[in-house]
Amino acid sequence: NAGVMQNPRHLVRRRGQEARLRCSPMKGHSHVYWYRQLPEEGLKFMVYLQKENIIDESGMPKERFSAEFPKEGPSILRIQQVVRGDSAAYFCASSPQDGTPACCYTFGSGTRLTVV
Amino acid sequence: GQQLNQSPQSMFIQEGEDVSMNCTSSSIFNTWLWYKQEPGEGPVLLIALYKAGELTSNGRLTAQFGITRKDSFLNISASIPSDVGIYFCAGIPGGTSYGKLTFGQGTILTVHP
Repeated sequence: NAGVMQNPRHLVRRRGQEARLRCSPMKGHSHVYWYRQLPEEGLKFMVYLQKENIIDESGMPKERFSAEFPKEGPSILRIQQVVRGDSAAYFCASSPQDGTPACCYTFGSGTRLTVV
Repeated sequence: GQQLNQSPQSMFIQEGEDVSMNCTSSSIFNTWLWYKQEPGEGPVLLIALYKAGELTSNGRLTAQFGITRKDSFLNISASIPSDVGIYFCAGIPGGTSYGKLTFGQGTILTVHP
């Protein structure tokens, strides 16, 4: 069974470009969470999505960041007009349903975004 | 929002020593979790705690959910070189039904052979 797949593993963007990060949840999982990890810090919650719905985006910056989880295909975290402060590791996690115990919540290996 | 204060920030120990780290919060958490993260990878769950006072072991690891629901500790006994990594506590705040985790800042563990 494939785990949570994130791609690309590494992404370099110039200031002002767009970054698209993809997350394919585990098979059978319909809930996706995105977290951001700045250097030498813990992960910070960004957004929680179900198929075609954003459930909680309280951790998303108000501008330039958006997320989707379409009916078909991976979840996408999109950052427009990137700035140096967006450089971080972005992790995706998935779970099979609402109320899933935390033990069954699986993280991907992350995308490391570097803005130059 | 909720914050978790994790200590110590880093530890340098000799192989065979025991390790202890803890997390505290000013607010209540329903679930406490301990993760390990290795370079270039995502966090991997070590232990999950669901009830106040719960004490759970996983091999050489032992963790407890504090009675007040505002703290947790992780102990690693007889450390080995492969224990090296960053350990994070995480919690699910009271009133949250889904996996919206709050993470501590992490404890960097170095084990000298």
